[in-house]
Amino acid sequence: DIQMTQSPSSLSASIGDRVTITCQASQDISNYLNWYQQKSGKAPKLLIYDASNLETGVPSRFSGSGSGTDFTFTISSLQPEDIATYYCQQYDNLPRTFGQGTKVEIK
Amino acid sequence: EVQLVESGGGLVQPGGSLRLSCVASGFTFSDYWMSWVRQAPGKGLEWVANVKYDGSEKHYVDSVKGRFTISRDNAQNSLYLQMNSLRAEDTALYYCARGTGTARHWGQGTLVTVPS
Repeated sequence: DIQMTQSPSSLSASIGDRVTITCQASQDISNYLNWYQQKSGKAPKLLIYDASNLETGVPSRFSGSGSGTDFTFTISSLQPEDIATYYCQQYDNLPRTFGQGTKVEIK
Repeated sequence: EVQLVESGGGLVQPGGSLRLSCVASGFTFSDYWMSWVRQAPGKGLEWVANVKYDGSEKHYVDSVKGRFTISRDNAQNSLYLQMNSLRAEDTALYYCARGTGTARHWGQGTLVTVPS
């Protein structure tokens, strides 16, 4: 199985800060990577697909980059409504696997 | 509007069985792969199984192989997960999701509890 290592596991930042989360795959997954946002008590929501494509309707402050084994997710200017846990997920191989999540809080 | 509504969760004793259902609406169900993803309380997401649009191909995470069976009824726009030989570690919120790689639509989840 492909292991997805996400870091950090949690972070605290101020409104307006730039926030960066990294995700490393245990093997080359090309650009077969998604980023999801999960707010407390809610189902996950797709934000970024194919490593860098913004899902329709998602604010442009969210972005993704990377290919191969190393990926980055960025919130350019943190907003109060961005408080959530963020997950990367690979879909190059079965079983699909997720990173362990990054909990984003407001400082 | 795409909607996925899960049901069938509950409290079941170790070794017991449960059948989860997911009714889909707002899209042509038979055009899409479908998946089950679970989340143990306070933990991360784990993909469980998926099934091809015509039901001809199914895949499972190793931890449920031989115990869980994913199926679908395209005439009823429904996805199922038959769970047998349940264990405490199967306790989770089970989500139905549209797609096999990229899940754009998720249900609200149904909770399965297996006491230890």
